[in-house]
Amino acid sequence: AQTVTQSQPEMSVQEAETVTLSCTYDTSESNYYLFWYKQPPSRQMILVIRQEAYKQQNATENRFSVNFQKAAKSFSLKISDSQLGDTAMYFCAYLSRGAQKLVFGQGTRLTINP
Amino acid sequence: NAGVTQTPKFRILKIGQSMTLQCTQDMNHNYMYWYRQDPGMGLKLIYYSVGAGITDKGEVPNGYNVSRSTTEDFPLRLELAAPSQTSVYFCASSYETGMIGNQPQHFGDGTRLSIL
Repeated sequence: AQTVTQSQPEMSVQEAETVTLSCTYDTSESNYYLFWYKQPPSRQMILVIRQEAYKQQNATENRFSVNFQKAAKSFSLKISDSQLGDTAMYFCAYLSRGAQKLVFGQGTRLTINP
Repeated sequence: NAGVTQTPKFRILKIGQSMTLQCTQDMNHNYMYWYRQDPGMGLKLIYYSVGAGITDKGEVPNGYNVSRSTTEDFPLRLELAAPSQTSVYFCASSYETGMIGNQPQHFGDGTRLSIL
């Protein structure tokens, strides 16, 4: 069974700094998807960024980018020029291609300080 | 553009009561999901559905039932509420095709349920 591990329960940085959240996963599959979801205090689950395993190029979405290391089974999220609105829980998630079950990590609570 | 709508947002139940958490989506998504999120944890899949009339168990299905009579609606039922079911419940939906592959899941705002 696939597992997702986020080893940083909490992180805190100053506004405008860059922060990197770690995620590792365990799988024997070659085709899959990886996601980062943001959960602000409002509790919504908001998709931040998505990576297809067959793509070597790292996904980027404005200030958010990933460092996808397939061989190492690592999928870290980098937030550049952090903003107060980035304060949230961040979940890394894995999805097999053709499957229905997202597997979530435990989450990292990120606080951006003014 | 409603997306995924969950009702109610909050509910307190007594042990042994039953209730139905409603979920509806207006994106014509074929896949729908129910998750629970316990404090400080990630989401765990309760049940999912790949289309009307088709449902399947997820990781933690015990104590719950679902039905999918229409594409839009995917209610979750608790028959005999227990304190262990105190959690935040999220409904999600996605559109999956063999060509495009899995699409991101869109989540509702959650239902906070307390069993006392």
